[in-house]
Amino acid sequence: DSGVTQTPKHLITATGQRVTLRCSPRSGDLSVYWYQQSLDQGLQFLIQYYNGEERAKGNILERFSAQQFPDLHSELNLSSLELGDSALYFCASSVMGASTDTQYFGPGTRLTVL
Amino acid sequence: AQSVAQPEDQVNVAEGNPLTVKCTYSVSGNPYLFWYVQYPNRGLQFLLKYITGDNLVKGSYGFEAEFNKSQTSFHLKKPSALVSDSALYFCAVRALYSSASKIIFGSGTRLSIRP
Repeated sequence: DSGVTQTPKHLITATGQRVTLRCSPRSGDLSVYWYQQSLDQGLQFLIQYYNGEERAKGNILERFSAQQFPDLHSELNLSSLELGDSALYFCASSVMGASTDTQYFGPGTRLTVL
Repeated sequence: AQSVAQPEDQVNVAEGNPLTVKCTYSVSGNPYLFWYVQYPNRGLQFLLKYITGDNLVKGSYGFEAEFNKSQTSFHLKKPSALVSDSALYFCAVRALYSSASKIIFGSGTRLSIRP
């Protein structure tokens, strides 16, 4: 158990809908990362937050947004969902968000778009 | 631009034999290299990382990795494989361009250990 929690574990929804994925980092970690894992794209970095501020951006679509709240939990919002958005979404956390930090991953949320 | 390559989609090894999972990288500046393992229906678990210092890094579950700057490689090794090592292994690289540097993961190598 990494100490990173993600809810829900599974999510099934329809095209065009909007969903919110939630992540709670390990106690004491200030930085949160979001990743998408799919069969065709592999593990893709989406976005990183540090202490409430956006730190780095990866391959995140405009239909997706995220934020980190004062209590350090984070939410990833996915809107206008398409079939291709079906994937495993992982959250990770690290102490300071530095390049040398080890990232600790949550168990993931499996999103299925029908 | 930084990149990481795992040239083998799958590696098959008999239990008790040594194993190697290959990783090569490309980055400007000093690389920070990581290995993670993913078991079925689980998140990624950290195995080890190279930041600086000794080129041979020891990690969890008896794994180690050797940083080779001239060959830009960071291969994962274990002297004696266990069936329980069967999983998906990811190599990752991050470079210190700034505090906003991104981590790039390889495509993953599926390790299968046969009894």
